[in-house]
Amino acid sequence: DGGITQSPKYLFRKEGQNVTLSCEQNLNHDAMYWYRQDPGQGLRLIYYSQIVNDFQKGDIAEGYSVSREKKESFPLTVTSAQKNPTAFYLCASSDPGNQETQYFGPGTRLLVL
Amino acid sequence: DQQVKQNSPSLSVQEGRISILNCDYTNSMFDYFLWYKKYPAEGPTFLISISSIKDKNEDGRFTVFLNKSAKHLSLHIVPSQPGDSAVYFCAASRLRGGADGLTFGKGTHLIIQP
Repeated sequence: DGGITQSPKYLFRKEGQNVTLSCEQNLNHDAMYWYRQDPGQGLRLIYYSQIVNDFQKGDIAEGYSVSREKKESFPLTVTSAQKNPTAFYLCASSDPGNQETQYFGPGTRLLVL
Repeated sequence: DQQVKQNSPSLSVQEGRISILNCDYTNSMFDYFLWYKKYPAEGPTFLISISSIKDKNEDGRFTVFLNKSAKHLSLHIVPSQPGDSAVYFCAASRLRGGADGLTFGKGTHLIIQP
């Protein structure tokens, strides 16, 4: 079954800790993305990667870091520098050469204790 | 500054009637527009898209209309069904597939009344 998986579904973080959210896709898509959703808000772009070993900052990259060592994987690290990390995090992928859409994973909810 | 606006936070429609969801944008560089449906605590599901070279795209019960001069698009759902109750997001991008990211509106909560 082709798709995007995100783990874990819920993640708890203590103040001052870094946490890493996992995103894996088996759609053979070149491009991958991370978005954040806050209550009553739309999705906002954190980082994106159009190809392996390359990534770009989105609109709200401060306090986050990413890597793209493999085509299938695009992990997001929420660092202690992110002052308001509690949110719903969504990973997406796309095949811009052939399709107009991005496909989304099920999301990870991050809560700060 | 919000580049994609959905001015109706919620919309209530009777089952069987037409649902019309509206979206406005300010960035004239946007060339691709997408509608997503989302349930709480789940990822958005793609519904339909349109590129700026078209003014209408249809897929089953869903039709999207684009008015480039007014920077306005709308999603029509006919007939509306109970399963359509969800939050609908309008999104836009400069590049095909949102290759440099999608810009989203804040969403419209559609409620289908029996």
